[in-house]
Amino acid sequence: QVQLQESGPGLVKPSQTLSLTCTVSGGSISSGSYYWSWIRQPAGKGLEWIGRIYTSGSTNYNPSLKSRVTISVDTSKNQFSLKLSSVTAADTAVYYCAREYSSSWPSWGQGTLVTVSS
Amino acid sequence: QSVLTQPPSASGTPGQRVTISCSGSSSNIGSNYVYWYQQLPGTAPKLLIYRNNQRPSGVPDRFSGSKSGTSASLAISGLRSEDEADYYCAAWDDSLSGLYVFGTGTKVTVL
Repeated sequence: QVQLQESGPGLVKPSQTLSLTCTVSGGSISSGSYYWSWIRQPAGKGLEWIGRIYTSGSTNYNPSLKSRVTISVDTSKNQFSLKLSSVTAADTAVYYCAREYSSSWPSWGQGTLVTVSS
Repeated sequence: QSVLTQPPSASGTPGQRVTISCSGSSSNIGSNYVYWYQQLPGTAPKLLIYRNNQRPSGVPDRFSGSKSGTSASLAISGLRSEDEADYYCAAWDDSLSGLYVFGTGTKVTVL
């Protein structure tokens, strides 16, 4: 059973870059036909898809965030990462990593709260 | 930016049937599968329904999904106290370069 765990700073200053890593255990990140996704949720609000990376390294991003987002994968560490630049308070949210299979997300990390504040 | 519209709340007494709607457009629900997620307080979402009406193993058959045109529905029959949660629909949207979109979310309360 694959498990995912987000990690990274819980506090980021405005205009800086938010960086998070998702560590995958219970299976190789490079095996199988999976996309690895990032999804976020501001407190008390709904879910927003940020983007995804395929095992080959190809990416898809939410057009509303595309200019600020980079998702990458490190197969040697069984991890994939999210970088979101020029953050503002509107980027404060719980960030989830998830494994996508057949256009759904059956496997999620527990989520990590990132607050943007000076 | 939620593109799919859901009612903000729904409620019922134990044993009742509750239905949640999800309204979209031709670029998302109208041309792609719909997925449903259950989110208990303080936890990550859990996949409840995939490909419009399929249940992952372990999901009770009290949960059922359907789709017609540009709308979809999730029904919970035999409502139980542990069903009190937020529910979200999701679908791929073919507009722009493509993206996943979610519903606005529905809070289900068991009275």
